[in-house]
Amino acid sequence: AQTVTQSQPEMSVQEAETVTLSCTYDTSENNYYLFWYKQPPSRQMILVIRQEAYKQQNATENRFSVNFQKAAKSFSLKISDSQLGDTAMYFCAFMKLGPFMDSNYQLIWGAGTKLIIKP
Amino acid sequence: GAVVSQHPSWVICKSGTSVKIECRSLDFQATTMFWYRQFPKQSLMLMATSNEGSKATYEQGVEKDKFLINHASLTLSTLTVTSAHPEDSSFYICSARLGGYSPLHFGNGTRLTVT
Repeated sequence: AQTVTQSQPEMSVQEAETVTLSCTYDTSENNYYLFWYKQPPSRQMILVIRQEAYKQQNATENRFSVNFQKAAKSFSLKISDSQLGDTAMYFCAFMKLGPFMDSNYQLIWGAGTKLIIKP
Repeated sequence: GAVVSQHPSWVICKSGTSVKIECRSLDFQATTMFWYRQFPKQSLMLMATSNEGSKATYEQGVEKDKFLINHASLTLSTLTVTSAHPEDSSFYICSARLGGYSPLHFGNGTRLTVT
């Protein structure tokens, strides 16, 4: 069974600083996706970034980037130039892929990291 | 694109009554929707996987007779909490996938309070 571990329950940084959230996972699968979702105080879950395991290049989305280390099973999220609106719970998630593009694939979720951006 | 609408956003009901929560995919067809429950300061707990036109698949420990899920069309899934009790008070979130390996898109959640 797959597991996802986020070892930082809470982090806080000053606005404009860079912060890195850690995520490790355990799987014997070779084909999978990894995600970072953000849940602000409104509690709306928002996709931040996605990484396909078969891609060596780290995914980036504007100020958000990941450091994907497949051998180490590590998938950290870096937020550059942090903004007050980045304050949220951040969840790391794993989804294994099968031979068929079936939409039933479930996400395995980490416990989350509460990120606070201070003005 | 890929908007998921969930209604109501919050509901208060009396113990013993039933509550229905709707989840709609507004601009895409979702053959599969997922229902989650989230306790305060915790991660998402998958309750069930809902497939259009067939019975939902419930996770272990989730009472299918208490949490009735219906996925009658490609754009609508409903979760009915039957004979609600205070311990059912929680935040319920639905999500849907465009298909294949696409990411999940989430509704804005429903806060249920049972008095």
